[in-house]
Amino acid sequence: GENVEQHPSTLSVQEGDSAVIKCTYSDSASNYFPWYKQELGKGPQLIIDIRSNVGEKKDQRIAVTLNKTAKHFSLHITETQPEDSAVYFCAPRHGDKLIFGTGTRLQVFP
Amino acid sequence: DAGITQSPRHKVTETGTPVTLRCHQTENHRYMYWYRQDPGHGLRLIHYSYGVKDTDKGEVSDGYSVSRSKTEDFLLTLESATSSQTSVYFCAISALADQETQYFGPGTRLLVL
Repeated sequence: GENVEQHPSTLSVQEGDSAVIKCTYSDSASNYFPWYKQELGKGPQLIIDIRSNVGEKKDQRIAVTLNKTAKHFSLHITETQPEDSAVYFCAPRHGDKLIFGTGTRLQVFP
Repeated sequence: DAGITQSPRHKVTETGTPVTLRCHQTENHRYMYWYRQDPGHGLRLIHYSYGVKDTDKGEVSDGYSVSRSKTEDFLLTLESATSSQTSVYFCAISALADQETQYFGPGTRLLVL
């Protein structure tokens, strides 16, 4: 089956610093790569996604980069704020399903 | 939460009892999914539906069944609940035109004693 790994599992940064979370996958046929944010007590929420025909996508302070050759994609958050504190999941597409990573807990300290 | 409600939001039950969780959407999306979330495992797909009366198994389907008699409702049934099914259950939906993008409900926290 598809193997998805996410690193690091926890990440603590000072407010204003950048945060990077990496996701590796095994299915070379994957062509859709989303990132979800989950706040305490809520369902995951899509924050950004990328398809395999592009290498980078940016939305304000959030960006995703994709390296299809190496089979990994990363979430970049710049100028972090306390409200960015949450658990982040990658979920590369495998066939007709999304396979979720085990999550990264990001803490942003004021 | 993209027009998705889940009920109940919290439930405590005893081992061996049947339990049904309901997911209701107002978006008229074709695809619906049930996931469970456990520490260290992320979200794992239990069952999904690609239309009324059309369902298929996911990664962790043993002990669960589903039904979809209307576009807006997707039911998840634990035939005989076990303690290993204590978890947080999430429903998700996606549209035919953009099947990849999934929107999640608020979750149901289930405790099986």
